[in-house]
Amino acid sequence: DTGVSQDPRHKITKRGQNVTFRCDPISEHNRLYWYRQTLGQGPEFLTYFQNEAQLEKSRLLSDRFSAERPKGSFSTLEIQRTEQGDSAMYLCASSSDRGEKFFGPGTRLTVL
Amino acid sequence: SQQGEEDPQALSIQEGENATMNCSYKTSINNLQWYRQNSGRGLVHLILIRSNEREKHSGRLRVTLDTSKKSSSLLITASRAADTASYFCATDEGGAQKLVFGQGTRLTINP
Repeated sequence: DTGVSQDPRHKITKRGQNVTFRCDPISEHNRLYWYRQTLGQGPEFLTYFQNEAQLEKSRLLSDRFSAERPKGSFSTLEIQRTEQGDSAMYLCASSSDRGEKFFGPGTRLTVL
Repeated sequence: SQQGEEDPQALSIQEGENATMNCSYKTSINNLQWYRQNSGRGLVHLILIRSNEREKHSGRLRVTLDTSKKSSSLLITASRAADTASYFCATDEGGAQKLVFGQGTRLTINP
């Protein structure tokens, strides 16, 4: 399978716990993005990497959120001290220089 | 913040009919992309149209772009039940790397 993959697909956690999500982009893509989507809304941009460098972060990305892409391949998104408002679908996308962005299946987070 | 607005927010048609969805945006763009999302799933890339293009086709899909009106439309011809999904347009806000999405059109195809 050469598409974008995300793990886990679903995560249920209790408020205050930390969670970490992983994204594996399409192998030849140097750009990787994280988005968040709540029910009935379009995805909202969180952050963007080109290779291992994090080049842009949305103000939606509070200090409880951190993303890494240490070797320019897979990426992780960690949420510390989760809150109920963090419940959402977290989507990862990757692209080459051509501009078409391909999304993974998403990780659905539920914070109880 | 959401850049675009899709119209209508919801559309229900009979199988075999054509479905047209519209998207308006606010800033200059380099390209506009359309995505499909089945309930609870990830987004599937449908088509990318660049700012110097006016129309693009892919199978049963036709996308138009009018940069003077800052609007785009997605036409699905000969709709099928499997086309039932939410459809989103996304723009690159003047060439920025991030995509800005609208709220989407929920399309229901009735058999």
